[in-house]
Amino acid sequence: AQSVTQLDSQVPVFEEAPVELRCNYSSSVSVYLFWYVQYPNQGLQLLLKYLSGSTLVESINGFEAEFNKSQTSFHLRKPSVHISDTAEYFCAVKRTSYDKVIFGPGTSLSVIP
Amino acid sequence: DTAVSQTPKYLVTQMGNDKSIKCEQNLGHDTMYWYKQDSKKFLKIMFSYNNKELIINETVPNRFSPKSPDKAHLNLHINSLELGDSAVYFCASSQATLAGVQETQYFGPGTRLLVL
Repeated sequence: AQSVTQLDSQVPVFEEAPVELRCNYSSSVSVYLFWYVQYPNQGLQLLLKYLSGSTLVESINGFEAEFNKSQTSFHLRKPSVHISDTAEYFCAVKRTSYDKVIFGPGTSLSVIP
Repeated sequence: DTAVSQTPKYLVTQMGNDKSIKCEQNLGHDTMYWYKQDSKKFLKIMFSYNNKELIINETVPNRFSPKSPDKAHLNLHINSLELGDSAVYFCASSQATLAGVQETQYFGPGTRLLVL
């Protein structure tokens, strides 16, 4: 069975500092990987995804994630965070087209001014 | 021009009541979902419908019954509400790409259910 681990439940970081949110998954088959962001009192929005090809994927707001098959990881990074990045971040995985998406427990990112 | 909408946004009710949450998407997607997010933000899928047919049904109490009258709507009816049903319920939709992959899910704003 698949599972997703996000080791850090809360990550406080100062504004303009770099951040890394960790995600590890377990699966016996190839997977698709996603990062979703949930701003306060809103639904989830896709931040970025890895389906195939280049292992480094980027979002339009400066986040990037790298798929590492040997370490079964898909960590999310940003070199310089803004106050507006304060949100809950969910790593997610799915195996096939119609398989369900398994979400990690989430990491709460708090950017401190 | 809201993509995925849910009504109501807030729902406060007594234990034992029956309630419904409605979801509509105007994205033309063929797949819709219901998720439950608990107080610790943990998100778990409940149901998924593709072209009005149930394709994912997790181990959800049968007090929860989804209904999809058409591809654009997926409603959730809950009978005999219990305290543990208090949570935020999210509707979502997605569309298969040409390669047949269901990729991005688009989420509604959520319905905050409080059972007293």
